[in-house]
Amino acid sequence: NAGVTQTPKFRVLKTGQSMTLLCAQDMNHEYMYWYRQDPGMGLRLIHYSVGEGTTAKGEVPDGYNVSRLKKQNFLLGLESAAPSQTSVYFCASSYLQGVTGELFFGEGSRLTVL
Amino acid sequence: TQLLEQSPQFLSIQEGENLTVYCNSSSVFSSLQWYRQEPGEGPVLLVTVVTGGEVKKLKRLTFQFGDARKDSSLHITAAQTGDTGLYLCAGRIVGGSNYKLTFGKGTLLTVNP
Repeated sequence: NAGVTQTPKFRVLKTGQSMTLLCAQDMNHEYMYWYRQDPGMGLRLIHYSVGEGTTAKGEVPDGYNVSRLKKQNFLLGLESAAPSQTSVYFCASSYLQGVTGELFFGEGSRLTVL
Repeated sequence: TQLLEQSPQFLSIQEGENLTVYCNSSSVFSSLQWYRQEPGEGPVLLVTVVTGGEVKKLKRLTFQFGDARKDSSLHITAAQTGDTGLYLCAGRIVGGSNYKLTFGKGTLLTVNP
């Protein structure tokens, strides 16, 4: 199984450009998440989804939009990229709602905004 | 405000040494997880603890959840170079959403040969 796959793995943008990160999971998980990881800041939740057609804001949602049109895919969009959005983005999925649910992560997408 | 404080932030030791890293909070957690992240990869779950005072062992790794469910520790015995990585604790706050997992900033462990 591929697990959680993120595309692209690397991208360089200019300020003001837009782009979409794609996350695909083949584990039939209900819950999907987008995190960003910055040096000294740990993992911060951007948006998440508890099922197909649903999305919700996390800790740092400003400047990002998401969509979950299909259960297996979770898209993260940047409408007008800013240098502050330079980061490594991780998608994760989870199969269990309860307190012990394990998150399965992708390998990350490194985004640089010039 | 950082809900989960991890210490130390960086740790460099020699192979064969023992070490302990900590995860502390003023909040009570319904569960706490430890993940390890290697360079260029996503975090991978090591363990989940849910009961206050719980101790779990995974080969040379021992995890403990505090009695009050506000803190946790990870002890590694006889560290190996393969233990090198970023160790992240993550928890679900009591009364909060089970969907949301809050992460600490991590402890970056380097085990030198």
